[in-house]
Amino acid sequence: SQQGEEDPQALSIQEGENATMNCSYKTSINNLQWYRQNSGRGLVHLILIRSNEREKHSGRLRVTLDTSKKSSSLLITASRAADTASYFCATDDSNTDKLIFGTGTRLQVFP
Amino acid sequence: DAMVIQNPRYQVTQFGKPVTLSCSQTLNHNVMYWYQQKSSQAPKLLFHYYDKDFNNEADTPDNFQSRRPNTSFCFLDIRSPGLGDAAMYLCATSRPGGAAKANIQYFGAGTRLSVL
Repeated sequence: SQQGEEDPQALSIQEGENATMNCSYKTSINNLQWYRQNSGRGLVHLILIRSNEREKHSGRLRVTLDTSKKSSSLLITASRAADTASYFCATDDSNTDKLIFGTGTRLQVFP
Repeated sequence: DAMVIQNPRYQVTQFGKPVTLSCSQTLNHNVMYWYQQKSSQAPKLLFHYYDKDFNNEADTPDNFQSRRPNTSFCFLDIRSPGLGDAAMYLCATSRPGGAAKANIQYFGAGTRLSVL
């Protein structure tokens, strides 16, 4: 399977703490995306990082990409209870219109 | 607001009774996707349309069919639902090569299917 792996599978933290989740993938990529999914809802695109970028920021989100290790991390700083959700990385399936999703990390932020 | 809308949000059907899920979009995206997502798993692509071109995943059961009568609408038909087909079904759209030159997908809220 080409599916990416994410770790941890589940993460529980207190509000105000930082949350870090990691994604590993198997093939060469043009870019990597992170999506968020609230319970019982669809996925929402958060941020995209291109293969020639090493780090990208968007608000409280920081994404890193290491193409030599085929890995990425998503850091959420100063977490809030509203950040409770599942987070998925996704890589482009080259030469197709498809994405390859990782296995996801379930984040629980306690007030 | 431009968006992807799925109806219904919740669908209950009986074992073996055909069911149709619908998706509409106002984004004017040329690609539409159907995913199946089971609890605590990643979305699994069933098939997608690039304009009118239908692309089936190799492991999508024949029980699942799709129709795209126009750019805005796409339907998922489950001909004979089994208990194992109970899941969340997600529709998504994209316009590959758009402003971001990347395949950013826009998802509907999903339809949760229960099979009794």
